[in-house]
Amino acid sequence: DAKTTQPNSMESNEEEPVHLPCNHSTISGTDYIHWYRQLPSQGPEYVIHGLTSNVNNRMASLAIAEDRKSSTLILHRATLRDAAVYYCINYGQNFVFGPGTRLSVLP
Amino acid sequence: NAGVTQTPKFRILKIGQSMTLQCTQDMNHNYMYWYRQDPGMGLKLIYYSVGAGITDKGEVPNGYNVSRSTTEDFPLRLELAAPSQTSVYFCASTEQRVRDEQFFGPGTRLTVL
Repeated sequence: DAKTTQPNSMESNEEEPVHLPCNHSTISGTDYIHWYRQLPSQGPEYVIHGLTSNVNNRMASLAIAEDRKSSTLILHRATLRDAAVYYCINYGQNFVFGPGTRLSVLP
Repeated sequence: NAGVTQTPKFRILKIGQSMTLQCTQDMNHNYMYWYRQDPGMGLKLIYYSVGAGITDKGEVPNGYNVSRSTTEDFPLRLELAAPSQTSVYFCASTEQRVRDEQFFGPGTRLTVL
């Protein structure tokens, strides 16, 4: 299964937008890009997923590069509750979790 | 809908003991998964199932066994527990592999001493 590359950590101020990048340079044509987040002492929580087009939902937006080798998760207005580890997953056969990006949100 | 439930929440085992981690989902999902998460790391897939009676190994299956006799239940069995199996275990389910989100349970924190 293909792997992804994300920054280890990022910081944002409360109520500002956050752009979390992910590289998935070995993605196959039918692989979906999934994003999950994990709050302390909880199981992973679904955020968003997409194949080729940009996607929006109530939690976030997902911008997928035209060549699909990278994507960006966008939180439009970060809140303190968004502080978590965010995982980008190149979903072909099974989930392969990397270490993710630890997002800190400063008040 | 309870979603995905796991029991127990916490457990301490002695080396060599055995136990079964329970996982149940009420969404009628065919696909179910077991992951483990070591401190500071991402999740690793232990076993998965694509439907009742069908299971397959994931990335780290050694020391574990699974069965899937019903759509709802996917228990994970640890035989001869070892300290290396100290971890948090998550069960998950999905309706369609790849295209749909995975729903995760709250986890079981296991310590082997």
